[in-house]
Amino acid sequence: SQTIHQWPATLVQPVGSPLSLECTVEGTSNPNLYWYRQAAGRGLQLLFYSVGIGQISSEVPQNLSASRPQDRQFILSSKKLLLSDSGFYLCAWSLYRGTEAFFGQGTRLTVV
Amino acid sequence: GESVGLHLPTLSVQEGDNSIINCAYSNSASDYFIWYKQESGKGPQFIIDIRSNMDKRQGQRVTVLLNKTVKHLSLQIAATQPGDSAVYFCAENVMNNDMRFGAGTRLTVKP
Repeated sequence: SQTIHQWPATLVQPVGSPLSLECTVEGTSNPNLYWYRQAAGRGLQLLFYSVGIGQISSEVPQNLSASRPQDRQFILSSKKLLLSDSGFYLCAWSLYRGTEAFFGQGTRLTVV
Repeated sequence: GESVGLHLPTLSVQEGDNSIINCAYSNSASDYFIWYKQESGKGPQFIIDIRSNMDKRQGQRVTVLLNKTVKHLSLQIAATQPGDSAVYFCAENVMNNDMRFGAGTRLTVKP
């Protein structure tokens, strides 16, 4: 069966510090991978998606970047965090674009 | 901006009652919809889906209704239980692009 792992679960980082969130998927090959951000009391905003190794598409201009160094690894990064980067970050995968997405447990990021 | 929205941000029901959560979408070309359940501090989980060629789909204690005329989607939960307390999101898809999520409705089940 397929599983998705996302870590860390919580993170408190000072403004201006770098960020690296990692997500890995097991049990499937060539998944579509996604990073979402969820502000408190809000819906999920798609940040990045990837259809393959090294292929990253960005939905919104922002202070973050994503990379896919391996087929089942998706990384969310920032060189310098802003206060507005605080939120709940979710990694997800799907077999095909536009189909059911399976989510990780999320990372609660607080920038102080 | 988000094209999927919800009529009510919160819903409180008595245990054992039926719950109805509503969702409006604006893109008439949307052809696939999913309802997700998100418990506190966790990622969303799939509940049920429906394609635009259907009006109704039933699962275990849940039913999704799709009204394409008014671009409205609803999730009905029968005999709501405390474990149903969560935030429920509808998500839409247009022609195999990425799912777009609404803001969510928080369902609280009172014992």
